[in-house]
Amino acid sequence: ILNVEQSPQSLHVQEGDSTNFTCSFPSSNFYALHWYRWETAKSPEALFVMTLNGDEKKKGRISATLNTKEGYSYLYIKGSQPEDSATYLCAFSNAGNMLTFGGGTRLMVKP
Amino acid sequence: NAGVTQTPKFRVLKTGQSMTLLCAQDMNHEYMYWYRQDPGMGLRLIHYSVGEGTTAKGEVPDGYNVSRLKKQNFLLGLESAAPSQTSVYFCASSGVDWAGTDTQYFGPGTRLTVL
Repeated sequence: ILNVEQSPQSLHVQEGDSTNFTCSFPSSNFYALHWYRWETAKSPEALFVMTLNGDEKKKGRISATLNTKEGYSYLYIKGSQPEDSATYLCAFSNAGNMLTFGGGTRLMVKP
Repeated sequence: NAGVTQTPKFRVLKTGQSMTLLCAQDMNHEYMYWYRQDPGMGLRLIHYSVGEGTTAKGEVPDGYNVSRLKKQNFLLGLESAAPSQTSVYFCASSGVDWAGTDTQYFGPGTRLTVL
């Protein structure tokens, strides 16, 4: 069983704050690292897929970085808004289509 | 284009009862997956299928069976439900990508309670 850890488990921030959280994964047999955004009562939706060490992806105020040698990825949210409140999941692939998910970071942004 | 759909959305069972959860996708995806989601544990893979007529075990397969008779459908069965199977079940599908980069598309989930 692969160990994919996310920290913190939950996070409360004020509107306008910038925040970041971490995904740790095995550094061997790396194929890809996925980030998903999961709003309450909805389905997880893909944010980013990263494959190369040093990769950086950006979508609006959300960005992610990847370090495959040390086995971690950071997700950053700049100027958090209430609509950013969700659980953010990372998932590690070491074999084609199979993903191992972390436990998620639950972000709550207070207006 | 409905994407991935799941039926039912909610279900309450008594211990020992059986039921089948249906997942359907209209994206012509080869791969389909069943996950369960429990508090603090993220998504754990129960079973998956790499194509019509094929199934394989995931991380937590015990107590579940699956079938993929048609490419667009993936069924998850509980033969004799137990309280430990109380969970939210998600189905997902994806294309074939040996590089591991293909996004999985998720259904809306089925909330199952076993009393």
